[in-house]
Amino acid sequence: EPEVTQTPSHQVTQMGQEVILRCVPISNHLYFYWYRQILGQKVEFLVSFYNNEISEKSEIFDDQFSVERPDGSNFTLKIRSTKLEDSAMYFCASSELWQGDEQFFGPGTRLTVL
Amino acid sequence: AQSVSQHNHHVILSEAASLELGCNYSYGGTVNLFWYVQYPGQHLQLLLKYFSGDPLVKGIKGFEAEFIKSKFSFNLRKPSVQWSDTAEYFCAVNADNAGNMLTFGGGTRLMVKP
Repeated sequence: EPEVTQTPSHQVTQMGQEVILRCVPISNHLYFYWYRQILGQKVEFLVSFYNNEISEKSEIFDDQFSVERPDGSNFTLKIRSTKLEDSAMYFCASSELWQGDEQFFGPGTRLTVL
Repeated sequence: AQSVSQHNHHVILSEAASLELGCNYSYGGTVNLFWYVQYPGQHLQLLLKYFSGDPLVKGIKGFEAEFIKSKFSFNLRKPSVQWSDTAEYFCAVNADNAGNMLTFGGGTRLMVKP
């Protein structure tokens, strides 16, 4: 069964450093998403992406964040200057269709900012 | 903005017990509703979803959920749990004014004792 994959599984970085989290969505999916879950809190939506453009973004997704589909398979989330409060599990997801379709989630990347 | 509440944070059951996990959302418009499960060390996986039609939906592994519009609820049920149902369960809502953004509840950790 096709899966969403994410790398790395765990990333440790110093405050102020840039990080790039990588995702490979399911190959025939057209819509891509990032969510995050701070320890002990809810899973929160960050951004959705379609046709090389951001479709929606939450208040969390400020200028420090960016997303990109650099090639036909990868989907990346970049945090330009990490803060302690960016420490969280980051989940990538993809779906074939738009509203209401099942989103398939990756295993997550645990980001630790020191 | 919509919100989702899951009332039980931790549930402990013995095998063969019946399960009901509560989920309530706050949004007056049309919604798509989902239950996701995360088994230890694994991805979020879809258990079931409701878009329209019969408010009683059946999912994988013997789970079902009932959408009660008047109560803004979408409770998850299983008549007889197994040890393998030990996992964290997440209710999620996609509102018709929110593109494909999922709003998650806080999750319920279920432990089933053999």
